[in-house]
Amino acid sequence: DIQMTQSPSSLSASVGDRVTITCRASQNIDNYLNWYQQKLGKAPKLLIYSASNLQSGVPLRFSGGGSGTDFTLTISSLEPEDFAAYYCQQSYSVPYTFGQGTKVDIK
Amino acid sequence: EVQVLESGGGLVQPGGSLRLSCEMSGFTFGNYGMTWVRQPPGKGPEWVSAIVAKSDVTHYAASVKGRFTISRDNSKSILYLQMNSLRVEDTALYYCAKIRAPGGTTRDGADYWGQGTPVIVSS
Repeated sequence: DIQMTQSPSSLSASVGDRVTITCRASQNIDNYLNWYQQKLGKAPKLLIYSASNLQSGVPLRFSGGGSGTDFTLTISSLEPEDFAAYYCQQSYSVPYTFGQGTKVDIK
Repeated sequence: EVQVLESGGGLVQPGGSLRLSCEMSGFTFGNYGMTWVRQPPGKGPEWVSAIVAKSDVTHYAASVKGRFTISRDNSKSILYLQMNSLRVEDTALYYCAKIRAPGGTTRDGADYWGQGTPVIVSS
């Protein structure tokens, strides 16, 4: 199975900060990498697909990058509604594993 | 507007069975792959199973293979997950979700999710 490792596991930031979350795959996954946001008590929400494509309706402050084994999710300027957990997921080969998550909370 | 409604969860004893259903509307169900993802209490999401649009290809996590069966009825726009030989470690909130890309693949993100249906396996 492909292991997905996110860093950091948690971070504290302020509104307006630039935040970057990293996801590393244990083997090459080309660009089959998705990012989700999950708020407490809600289902995950797709933010980025195919590593760098912004899902319809997602604000432009979210961006994704990388290919192969190393990927990033960047929030250019944190808004109050962005405090949540973020998960990467590879869809290159089954099982389509998720990272362990990054919790972004208010400093 | 896409709508997703899961049902069928509940409390079951170890070794028991449940069938989850996921009714979807607002898009051409038969053109998209579908997936089940679960989330144990206080933990991150765990991919469980996926099925391509025409039902001829299915995939499972090793932890559920041989016990769970994913299926779909494209005429009714319903996705199913038959869960047999349930274990305590299967306890989780189970989500169904639509795969984003048209054409039936499962190799993409999931863009529409249900609210989740809880499965509790306990004696």
